[in-house]
Amino acid sequence: AAGVIQSPRHLIKEKRETATLKCYPIPRHDTVYWYQQGPGQDPQFLISFYEKMQSDKGSIPDRFSAQQFSDYHSELNMSSLELGDSALYFCASSEFGANVLTFGAGSRLTVL
Amino acid sequence: GDSVTQMEGPVTLSEEAFLTINCTYTATGYPSLFWYVQYPGEGLQLLLKATKADDKGSNKGFEATYRKETTSFHLEKGSVQVSDSAVYFCALSVVGYSTLTFGKGTMLLVSP
Repeated sequence: AAGVIQSPRHLIKEKRETATLKCYPIPRHDTVYWYQQGPGQDPQFLISFYEKMQSDKGSIPDRFSAQQFSDYHSELNMSSLELGDSALYFCASSEFGANVLTFGAGSRLTVL
Repeated sequence: GDSVTQMEGPVTLSEEAFLTINCTYTATGYPSLFWYVQYPGEGLQLLLKATKADDKGSNKGFEATYRKETTSFHLEKGSVQVSDSAVYFCALSVVGYSTLTFGKGTMLLVSP
C-alpha cells in the first residue's frame, strides 16, 4: 500500500541557510500535517492544510512557511536556519475529518 | 489546553515479561486516544486507538482501554518480545480536530 512519502530523508545545512522539505500524502488523502521532533522529544505540531488552505496552526516559527499544492503534496520552507532547528520533521496525511493520521518516515534536518 | 502525560522511561524488561505503560490525559472536549510506536530510525506508526469511553483498542498483542473516569489509556501487553523495543507515544485528538497532541514518549527496552 502507498504510504506518505517525504523527501529528502536527510538534509544538512549551515546556519542562516534555507531548506525545503516535501511531503506526498497517501492517494485520496486531502489533509496534510507537519510535526517537528527534536532529539529525545515528543513530536510537536507545526501546521496543517486541507484543500490547499491552512486548517490549523501550532508552534511553527515565523521563519518557517508551508503550503499545499493542487495535487495535495505539501512543502515546508525553513529560512534563516538555526542550530535548534535540527530535528526530525514528520509529515502525516489523512482524509478530512478522519482522526487517524498516517505518518511518513520523516526528514532529518541537521543544522551545523 | 489538551495534554498527555506518560510514565518516564526507559522501561527495561526481559522477554516474555508483562508490560504496562501508563498514560493519562487532559482534554477540553471528547478525545480520541491513540498509541503510536516509533522504532529506531523510523517514523511513527499507529499501534491502536479508541474513540469513546470503555472502548478497548488492540493490535499485535497490545491493548489499551479508554477510561473516562480516570482519564487514562494505559498500554499493556502480556508477553513482550525483543522486537517490541521502541519508543511508545500516547496521543489524543479532540473531536472535530485531527491534530494530535503527543505525550513525551516512553522508551521500552526488551532483553533476551
